[in-house]
Amino acid sequence: QVQLQESGPGLVKPSETLSLTCTVSGGSITSYYWSWIRQPPGKGLEWIGYLYYSGSTHYNPSLKSRVIISMDMSKNQFSLKLSSVTAADTAVYYCARDTHCSDGSCYPPLGFDPWGQGTLVTVSS
Amino acid sequence: DIQMTQSPSTLSTSVGDRVTITCRASQSISNWLAWYQQKPGKAPKLLIYEASSLKSGVPSRFSGSGSGTEFTLTISSLQPDDFATYFCQQYDSYPYTFGQGTKLEIK
Repeated sequence: QVQLQESGPGLVKPSETLSLTCTVSGGSITSYYWSWIRQPPGKGLEWIGYLYYSGSTHYNPSLKSRVIISMDMSKNQFSLKLSSVTAADTAVYYCARDTHCSDGSCYPPLGFDPWGQGTLVTVSS
Repeated sequence: DIQMTQSPSTLSTSVGDRVTITCRASQSISNWLAWYQQKPGKAPKLLIYEASSLKSGVPSRFSGSGSGTEFTLTISSLQPDDFATYFCQQYDSYPYTFGQGTKLEIK
């Protein structure tokens, strides 16, 4: 059974870069798209972007200029970097499994499943 | 971006009630819609994908319907474990977007 676990600093200063890692266990990281999603306290969910092991990425235009999602296949991990953060970036950040791909073809998406447990990142000086 | 609008935002209900939550998309998304359940302090859990397909292991009291721009999540007989917040999400086009959530409260 695939499990995801986010890790990284819980406090980031304004204007600095938020960096988080998601470790995937119980399955290969090369068979799926992998997404980051965030949720400000008490608010709704915002999709940040996805990465496929081939290097293909797609970011939410609202964050595109500040986001990089990358992968370390040797560690079965993928990472999020969000630069120039402000208080508005304070949120619980989740990683999640996305579209399944095999032999170069991708299947229709079936939603995000599973999710990591989430990690709260607070932007404050 | 495709806007997803859920109604109601909050619903006061009782155990045993039949509950229906509506999700409307600002443009057609065919059946590319998922429903999630989220409990306080926990990650969302996938309940339904492709608008009406129940994820394996999810109780059969949950069902989804709809296509195009209007969708519903129905809980046939509310159980104590179902008091939570529910989100819809479209995956027809990027950026993927979520509804604002519907919170089920105990009446």
